[in-house]
Order: sequence, then structure tokens, then C-alpha cells
Amino acid sequence: KNQVEQSPQSLIILEGKNCTLQCNYTVSPFSNLRWYKQDTGRGPVSLTIMTFSENTKSNGRYTATLDADTKQSSLHITASQLSDSASYICVVSRDTGFQKLVFGTGTRLLVSP
Amino acid sequence: NAGVTQTPKFQVLKTGQSMTLQCAQDMNHEYMSWYRQDPGMGLRLIHYSVGAGITDQGEVPNGYNVSRSTTEDFPLRLLSAAPSQTSVYFCASSRATSGIRTDTQYFGPGTRLTVL
Repeated sequence: KNQVEQSPQSLIILEGKNCTLQCNYTVSPFSNLRWYKQDTGRGPVSLTIMTFSENTKSNGRYTATLDADTKQSSLHITASQLSDSASYICVVSRDTGFQKLVFGTGTRLLVSP
Repeated sequence: NAGVTQTPKFQVLKTGQSMTLQCAQDMNHEYMSWYRQDPGMGLRLIHYSVGAGITDQGEVPNGYNVSRSTTEDFPLRLLSAAPSQTSVYFCASSRATSGIRTDTQYFGPGTRLTVL
């Protein structure tokens, strides 16, 4: 079964600290892996997109890694800010075409002052 | 650019009522889709369209209809609302995906629907 599992479900960190969110997937065949940020009451916003041949991609303080052999990805947030408080969703595509996306349930991050 | 817009932002319906959720994009994107987001579950695809006049079913299409008469608009119709359709609905758009594996998907702000 094509699944995307994220951990932890929720996380609280102090402002300025770093954190890492995990994503494991069983989706096959693999096309690409995406990380989205979703603020409360808003739609998801794309952070990074990685294909099979890419093992790391950065977007400002966000760095995503991909290990296609173990089917694992992580999202590392450096020097967290209050505005990083959001849900982070891992999404894996089975093929070209957005109808093939498999969404994780997300990690809810709260950055505390 | 306004990006992807959705109306209304909130809606309360009674069981059996019908309504249309509106979605529009001004980026000339070929691909548009509708998702629902429920607590503890990932986004699930309801219907999608790869261009004007072309629509197809996603993972959870029952109880919903769509049409795509223009590139810009992709309305979602609830035929006879049921409490199980209480959810947050998101519209998304992207450029044509043929051969483009890393195209960005843009989401609207969502419509929060409650069916009593």
C-alpha cells in the first residue's frame, strides 16, 4: 500500500533552536518528494521538491534530505522562528501528474518564545 | 497575481442542501484539483482537471461534481450535502505536468464547510 508516515505528530521547541522532522514512505514507483508548510487556516505552501537523484535541497533555513534507498526524508529547520509554527506535510509522487500524490498527515510544530 | 482564490471561506449547510465551492486562478495553469482535508488524515484528491473541458475523478469523488469550462475556473459542486462532507476543501493549480516532474503546486486558502 502506498503510504507516507511522518514523525513526530507534534513538536514544541524554543525559538532559536534547530529541529528535524522525519518522513518515511512506501510509495512505488517513486517520482519526487515534496515538503509543504501549512499555517493554521491557510493552504499548504511548497518548500522543497526533490527527485530520485537529489539527496539534499535547501530553501533558506529549511533543508530537506532524501535517502531513496531507505525511503526516508527529513526536513531540518535551523534557528527556528515564531513564524515557523505550522504543520509540515511530506508528499510523495508515484508518477508524473499531481493525481499521483500521496500525502502524509503532517507534523505540527510549535515554536515557543 | 492573486494566485488561487476560493470562495466562500466558511459555509454551513443543512443535510440535503446543494452548493458550489468556487475556485479561480490567474496563473494560466492547465492543471487544477480539489482536495479535502480531515483531522488526522492527509489531503485526499476529489477531482482534477488537466485542461479546459477535461476532468477526472480522484480518490474520493462520490457526492461531488466538477466542470472546467475555462482555464481559470474550476468549481466544485456538492449535490446533496451530508455530514460526512464536513471538511476543509482546498483547490490547487499547477502548470501542465507532462514531462515536468518538479512543477510547483499552488493551493488556495481553503473553504471550511460544516454540514449539519
